[in-house]
Amino acid sequence: QSLLTQPPSMSAAPGQRVAISCSGSSSNIGNNDASWYQHLPGSAPKLLIYDNNKRPSGIPDRFSGSKSGTSATLGITGLQTGDEADYYCATWDSSLTTVVFGGGTTLTVL
Amino acid sequence: QLQLQESGPGLVEPSETLSLTCTVSGGSIATSGYFWGWFRRPPGKGLEWIGSIYYTGGPYYNPSLHSPVTVSVDTSRNQFSLKLNSVTAADAGLYYCARQRGYTPSGYMEVWGKGTTVSVSS
Repeated sequence: QSLLTQPPSMSAAPGQRVAISCSGSSSNIGNNDASWYQHLPGSAPKLLIYDNNKRPSGIPDRFSGSKSGTSATLGITGLQTGDEADYYCATWDSSLTTVVFGGGTTLTVL
Repeated sequence: QLQLQESGPGLVEPSETLSLTCTVSGGSIATSGYFWGWFRRPPGKGLEWIGSIYYTGGPYYNPSLHSPVTVSVDTSRNQFSLKLNSVTAADAGLYYCARQRGYTPSGYMEVWGKGTTVSVSS
């Protein structure tokens, strides 16, 4: 069981907005920065958000990140069919001294 | 543009050692401010961190791994490697290498390899 809790699946229609949550604790998200990754089958995971709310160059502003307390959220607006993928949150756990990932959220755009 | 490429046998027998190499191109592995990490995704499960290393050495490992693991770096070849001893079926999956930003293994993974599939079977 992952230390970071994400909803296993979410779905929305093209053009709509989704918010994927990532719930942790004071030893991980509460005191460390969160990052988000998009993983399509057969492809390398892609960094979407780092340091809670920063986007790497090349990532469209449809993707946004936020953090409050021990939870982080990935927002995606203007959903496209190409956004169908698995999404993971990640951070460092200071107690376990390990990188921790959420269990992943499979996003369906229908 | 930095690229990472995993390589190694796709099939390993139970109790044997899994050895993978990540070759870095488009940049030097001996660059300050980056860690180099190994990750995996078992079938039907999520991503898992295995271990990371700085180019000067001093690897860090996931303490929850059940198989003994070694991560090493070879700056002359611009590569870093993973050895997982005494593998079991639980070690099968997709293996990825990635570059992490920062001076500790806590940094985010900004560049990933495309991954390599590992099966464990006799």
